[in-house]
Amino acid sequence: EVQLVESGGGLVQPGGSLRLSCAASGFTFSSYWMHWVRQAPGKGLVWVSRVNSDGSSAMYMDSVKGRFTISRDNVKNTVYLQMNSLRAEDTAVYYCVASGGWPGYWGQGTLVTVSS
Amino acid sequence: DIVMTQSPDSLAVSLGERATINCKSSQSVFYSSTNKNSLAWYQQKPGQPPKLLIYWASTRESGVPDRFSGSGSGADFTLTISSLQAEDVAVYYCQQYYTNPWTFGQGTKVEIK
Repeated sequence: EVQLVESGGGLVQPGGSLRLSCAASGFTFSSYWMHWVRQAPGKGLVWVSRVNSDGSSAMYMDSVKGRFTISRDNVKNTVYLQMNSLRAEDTAVYYCVASGGWPGYWGQGTLVTVSS
Repeated sequence: DIVMTQSPDSLAVSLGERATINCKSSQSVFYSSTNKNSLAWYQQKPGQPPKLLIYWASTRESGVPDRFSGSGSGADFTLTISSLQAEDVAVYYCQQYYTNPWTFGQGTKVEIK
């Protein structure tokens, strides 16, 4: 059974940091590109970042460039999102998504709340 | 970035009737080399993650009821629910994965009339 389990969310003050993790199982993790997609409360889905299968290439949405870093560990079958200098507008549920050609697998999400 | 526009924003349909959601992309998402459209449809219920229904514009995900179907090519796509059931009340999103960044439609809320 395919599983993507996110963790690391929580309440953080503006300017703070969090590291999200997404542990994968049930598929060949090292063959999949991994993405993070977020959803602010009551809003739609927004792509945040992606890393290729061997971790050598990453992309980010403009508003998180320089603040967020995506990485992966193909031994631990885990993808990470290091989030620094967090802002109120980063408040959202963050989903990790595995893509082996199409976005086939989604996690349950982890809530990040940025508030003082 | 490719802009995805869904219509309508909301839709009320009687039980057993057909529901149709449209999705337009600002540029084609068709790969001529693979003869595939990089377009997915999702269903999202409150408090749940998006559930993949359709990918490659018309391929139904395993386990998805056959009342859900996707059609279209290039820049115009449609999700059809042939006979609306109570459990289909949700928000539906289209998404292009033709190029990064992935982009999503704004969502269509489907309710029972």
